[in-house]
Parts: sequence; structure tokens; C-alpha cells
Amino acid sequence: EAQVTQNPRYLITVTGKKLTVTCSQNMNHEYMSWYRQDPGLGLRQIYYSMNVEVTDKGDVPEGYKVSRKEKRNFPLILESPSPNQTSLYFCASSLSLGGPPYNEQFFGPGTRLTVL
Amino acid sequence: KNEVEQSPQNLTAQEGEFITINCSYSVGISALHWLQQHPGGGIVSLFMLSSGKKKHGRLIATINIQEKHSSLHITASHPRDSAVYICAVKGRHTGNQFYFGTGTSLTVIP
Repeated sequence: EAQVTQNPRYLITVTGKKLTVTCSQNMNHEYMSWYRQDPGLGLRQIYYSMNVEVTDKGDVPEGYKVSRKEKRNFPLILESPSPNQTSLYFCASSLSLGGPPYNEQFFGPGTRLTVL
Repeated sequence: KNEVEQSPQNLTAQEGEFITINCSYSVGISALHWLQQHPGGGIVSLFMLSSGKKKHGRLIATINIQEKHSSLHITASHPRDSAVYICAVKGRHTGNQFYFGTGTSLTVIP
């Protein structure tokens, strides 16, 4: 089944304890992206990757790191989480967004992170 | 400053009604994406469009590039259409970044 998977789905952690949220897709998609969703602010883009070894900052990259060593995986790393990073995180992938036609994004199920 | 504005923010309709959700944006775009977020939180892609009109079942999406406006229409609405509908744009001059509206919460009453 074609899908985007994220792990963990729920995580409660404490300030400063490094964590990684994994994202994997099995559709051979080039484009992958991380978003966070907060009440009243909607979805905001954190980082995205057009292909292996190519990553770019989105709107809200501060406090996050990403890497794209393999096409299928795009982990999100919080080196020193803080309470303002408490949010619902979505990973998404798309076949290609480099030029027309622009392909739709497929979203993972979300990871609800609480930083105490 | 919001690059993407949606209206209305909340919408309640009777089953069977024709529904329109609007999305206006202020930046030049290469594509616009309509998404549906279910009450459980999952996000599903509805349409990606760069021009004109697309139709899938009871859903129709239109875009007017000159007016920087898109509409999502739902014909013969049903309670299962109750969800949050989100508009996102891919900026033409901002790399491959996406900007999102804050969503329209739709409730369809039987």
C-alpha cells in the first residue's frame, strides 16, 4: 500500500532531550516536507527536500534539523526541544514539485509532540 | 501577514446544499493545493491545480490566476463531508515552499 509513515505517533518528552521523528515513504517520491500545525496558525512548513542530499528551510526552521540521505526517509530532529515546539507534526511527500505538472502531496498520519 | 486567506472560517450547511469555500492569496503562485483534514486529524489531498477547473465526484475546484482566487465547491453535500478544508499555495518566487490558509471548518447537518 502506498503510504507515508511517521513514528512515533505520540510523544511526550522534556525540555532539552534530543528526539527524532522518522518519516518514510514507499512511493519513490522526490519531494518530502515537514509541517507543524498549531491552533489558529494552521500548517506551517519547517523544512523540505527536493531530492536526496537537497534540503531547504521553510517558514519556521528554527530549532529543527533534517537530513535526506536516502530517497525514502526524511527524519526530523529536535536537538534541544522546548515547550514552544509542542505541536502536531506532519510529514508529506510528492512525486515531484520541480515544475509543471505539479503533483499532489501525500501526508503522513501526524505525530503529536508535547514538550514539558 | 497571511499570504493565504480563506473564507468563511466556519460553515454549517444542511445535507444536500451546494457549498463554496474561497481562497485568496497575495503572492505569485505556480500551483494551488486543496486539502481535507478529517476530524481524526488525517490530511487528504483533494486537488492540485495551476489553472482552470478540476472535478472529482461531487467536488469541483476552480482557480483564477489573474484575480489570485480559488474556490472549492461541494455539490449535494453530505454529513461525511464534515471536515476542515485547507488551501495551500506553492509560491512562484519562493523556491518550493508552501503557504497555507488556516482552514474552513465545515459541518453538514443531516
